[in-house]
Amino acid sequence: AQSVTQPDIHITVSEGASLELRCNYSYGATPYLFWYVQSPGQGLQLLLKYFSGDTLVQGIKGFEAEFKRSQSSFNLRKPSVHWSDAAEYFCAVGPFSGGYNKLIFGAGTRLAVHP
Amino acid sequence: DAMVIQNPRYQVTQFGKPVTLSCSQTLNHNVMYWYQQKSSQAPKLLFHYYDKDFNNEADTPDNFQSRRPNTSFCFLDIRSPGLGDAAMYLCATSRDPRDKGLAGAIRYEQYFGPGTRLTVT
Repeated sequence: AQSVTQPDIHITVSEGASLELRCNYSYGATPYLFWYVQSPGQGLQLLLKYFSGDTLVQGIKGFEAEFKRSQSSFNLRKPSVHWSDAAEYFCAVGPFSGGYNKLIFGAGTRLAVHP
Repeated sequence: DAMVIQNPRYQVTQFGKPVTLSCSQTLNHNVMYWYQQKSSQAPKLLFHYYDKDFNNEADTPDNFQSRRPNTSFCFLDIRSPGLGDAAMYLCATSRDPRDKGLAGAIRYEQYFGPGTRLTVT
């Protein structure tokens, strides 16, 4: 069955430190992969996406992610975290069955940033 | 800027009193979605419209209905809200997934509105 796992529910980092958020997926074919960020009380904003080509993708706000097929992973990284990065991060994979744009979301990782 | 708009941002309703949440989009996307997101959980898809074709998720309660009068607008109706329906409701849109002229991930990318926080008293 198709699924997305984000192993870390909460992560705390110091401002200026590097960040890696993990995402593992189970999918029968080559997936389309997405990372979304959600600030408190807000909707989801797309950070980056991958569907083919270079396995290292660049996104907005200085984020990047690397697709590793052998590990079924799509981890999100940022070299230097800012206090404004504190939010919840969701990994998503699709498309799901049915021919529509159904995405499967992970449970999310909540990021806290210490000054 | 093209966007997805949700009104109201905060809605308080009484137990059992019907409530309607609104979503509009200026992206001219074919597909519109409604998600329910409870605290510290992933968004859960309730249903989606492909143009006027309504697609309900198997586990969406009958209490939740939706209308899409035109391309731009989509409504979520909760006929008899219970305390367990208190949540953030997110509307999203996407392009036509069957448009082979678009690169894959672009077809499946979803654009979200800011959400409506529903409180049931």
